[in-house]
Amino acid sequence: GQQLNQSPQSMFIQEGEDVSMNCTSSSIFNTWLWYKQDPGEGPVLLIALYKAGELTSNGRLTAQFGITRKDSFLNISASIPSDVGIYFCANMAGNNRKLIWGLGTSLAVNP
Amino acid sequence: DGGITQSPKYLFRKEGQNVTLSCEQNLNHDAMYWYRQDPGQGLRLIYYSQIVNDFQKGDIAEGYSVSREKKESFPLTVTSAQKNPTAFYLCASSKIEGGGNIQYFGAGTRLSVL
Repeated sequence: GQQLNQSPQSMFIQEGEDVSMNCTSSSIFNTWLWYKQDPGEGPVLLIALYKAGELTSNGRLTAQFGITRKDSFLNISASIPSDVGIYFCANMAGNNRKLIWGLGTSLAVNP
Repeated sequence: DGGITQSPKYLFRKEGQNVTLSCEQNLNHDAMYWYRQDPGQGLRLIYYSQIVNDFQKGDIAEGYSVSREKKESFPLTVTSAQKNPTAFYLCASSKIEGGGNIQYFGAGTRLSVL
């Protein structure tokens, strides 16, 4: 079945550092979604990508839809303590309105 | 404010007991979903519903049941047949945007076994 391979599994960084994480698959997709989950809360959509090669920013976050349509990355610049959480990539699983999810990248920021 | 409301935030279940988790949305979304989250395992789909009075099993439906009698509501029952119910449960609803299926989540219910 379709799988999303997300890496790294976890990161521990100093405040102010930049962060990069990615999501890959053997399948081709038409969208890429990036969510963030704060501890004890539900995931919140950060960025949605709809076109191969698309580069989209949301404040200090930048995400790109890979040109092969099989991967995407998310960058966070100048990290701050509130960036702590789990970041998930997700994608549509065919036409049945389900999403498939990566296992997440857990980010810890040392003030 | 529009959104998805899950209740309760914390729930305790005794052995052999059924418990029901509530999920209500006022976003006028057609589709609703239930996920289970365990540490290190990401989000696993339990059940989903694309329309009122219809629902489909997800990847881990055994030991769970749902109903979709109203568009706004999609309650999840964790039955006594679910032998390892301790987890964080997330409800979501979705609409199609720009060709993508954007899901919006509630704040979750943490279920523990006494």
